[in-house]
Amino acid sequence: DIQMTQSPFTLSASVGDRVTITCRASQDIASWLAWYQQKPGKAPKLLIYKASTLESGVPSRFSGSGSGTEFTLTISSLQPDDFATYYCQQYSSYPLTFGGGTKVQIK
Amino acid sequence: EVQLLESGGGLVQPGGSLRLSCAASGITFNNYAMSWVRQAPGTGLEWVSGIRGGGDQTYYADSVKGRFTISRDNSKNTLYLQMNSLRAEDTAVYYCAKREVANTGPFDYWGQGTLVTVSS
Repeated sequence: DIQMTQSPFTLSASVGDRVTITCRASQDIASWLAWYQQKPGKAPKLLIYKASTLESGVPSRFSGSGSGTEFTLTISSLQPDDFATYYCQQYSSYPLTFGGGTKVQIK
Repeated sequence: EVQLLESGGGLVQPGGSLRLSCAASGITFNNYAMSWVRQAPGTGLEWVSGIRGGGDQTYYADSVKGRFTISRDNSKNTLYLQMNSLRAEDTAVYYCAKREVANTGPFDYWGQGTLVTVSS
C-alpha cells in the first residue's frame, strides 16, 4: 500500500501569509495526486488534481506542484475562508490513500 | 447539478450489520467509479471501498475486507455498502464519493455523509 505523509500537522498563519503544505508518497505515484479542503461538519472539496491542475471554480491563490514522491500545496495569500484542514490523496493505485491532514488555523 | 445523498446510518451494536445507500442524480451513473470514504470522530479521511462503473470490479481497505461489501444498482443510480460484523472502530461519518473520470481520477463530488455509531 502507498503511504501518504503530510506535514506539518498544524499550521498557524495570518491573513495574507503564504502557506505551504507538503505531502510525501512512500513510492512513485507520478502526478496522480489530489488536494482537498475540508471545513468542520462538511464534506471534503476537491481543490487540485493531477498534482497541479486547479479544479474549476477554485481561486487561483491555490497552487500545487511536484511529481513522483514529493508534492506541495501553496496558498499564495491566505484568506479568512481558507482556514480549514487540507488533505492530500494518491489515486495511482488501490487502495486509495489519504495523508493525515494539515489544519490551517488563525495565528 | 450533481447530487449524492447518503442514507442508512445509525446506532448499531458491536457485531451487528447496517446497509448504507447513496442515491446519485445529475450524472450518467454507470459511467463513473464510486467509493466510500469514512472519517472517525476527530480524525482524518480513510478510503473504505471502491467499485468500477460497471460494477465488475470492487476494492477494499484491509480494515474492512471480508466484513464490508460494496455494490451498485445502475438502474436505480444507487451505491450501497453492506457492513457486517461491525466494530467500535467502524464508528465514523461515511461519505460516498464519485471519481472524476470514468474509473479513475480524484473525487470531484461527495455526499453530505451519514453517521454510523457502533456501540452497546
